[in-house]
Amino acid sequence: EAQVTQNPRYLITVTGKKLTVTCSQNMNHEYMSWYRQDPGLGLRQIYYSMNVEVTDKGDVPEGYKVSRKEKRNFPLILESPSPNQTSLYFCASSLGWGRSSYNEQFFGPGTRLTVL
Amino acid sequence: QKEVEQDPGPLSVPEGAIVSLNCTYSNSAFQYFMWYRQYSRKGPELLMYTYSSGNKEDGRFTAQVDKSSKYISLFIRDSQPSDSATYLCAMSDGGATNKLIFGTGTLLAVQP
Repeated sequence: EAQVTQNPRYLITVTGKKLTVTCSQNMNHEYMSWYRQDPGLGLRQIYYSMNVEVTDKGDVPEGYKVSRKEKRNFPLILESPSPNQTSLYFCASSLGWGRSSYNEQFFGPGTRLTVL
Repeated sequence: QKEVEQDPGPLSVPEGAIVSLNCTYSNSAFQYFMWYRQYSRKGPELLMYTYSSGNKEDGRFTAQVDKSSKYISLFIRDSQPSDSATYLCAMSDGGATNKLIFGTGTLLAVQP
């Protein structure tokens, strides 16, 4: 089954304790992205990657890191989490970008993160 | 002002009703318009995808884009309780960032 998977689905942690949220897709997609979803603000892009070893900042990158060492994986790293990073996080992927239908983004199930 | 505005609802309709969901936007560079459905505790699921202006129909769902008015709509015919979810509009300029700009979502409840 074609899908985007994320782990863990739920995570409660404390301020300053480094964590990683994994994302993997099995569709051979070039493009991957991370969003966070907050009430009243909708989904906002954190980072994106156009291919292996190519990443760039989205609208809200502060406090996050990413890496793209393999095409299928795009982990989100919080080096020193803070309470304002409490949110619902989604990973997404698409075949490519720019061309019609290439940029359809498919989302993972989400990771609910609470930072105390 | 947000780039994309969407009425948050909630919207409650009886089963079988026609539902109209709408978004307005300010960025004239947007070319790709999407509707996602998000059930509680789930990820957004792509429902409709439209390039530029016009209509697109898929079963009970119709998406309309009016670029001159910067207004998009999603119509759901013969609504079912299983349509109860949050509906998110999303837009992109098709550039290399492939970034989607989302509305905040409209919560829809279809009453049996």
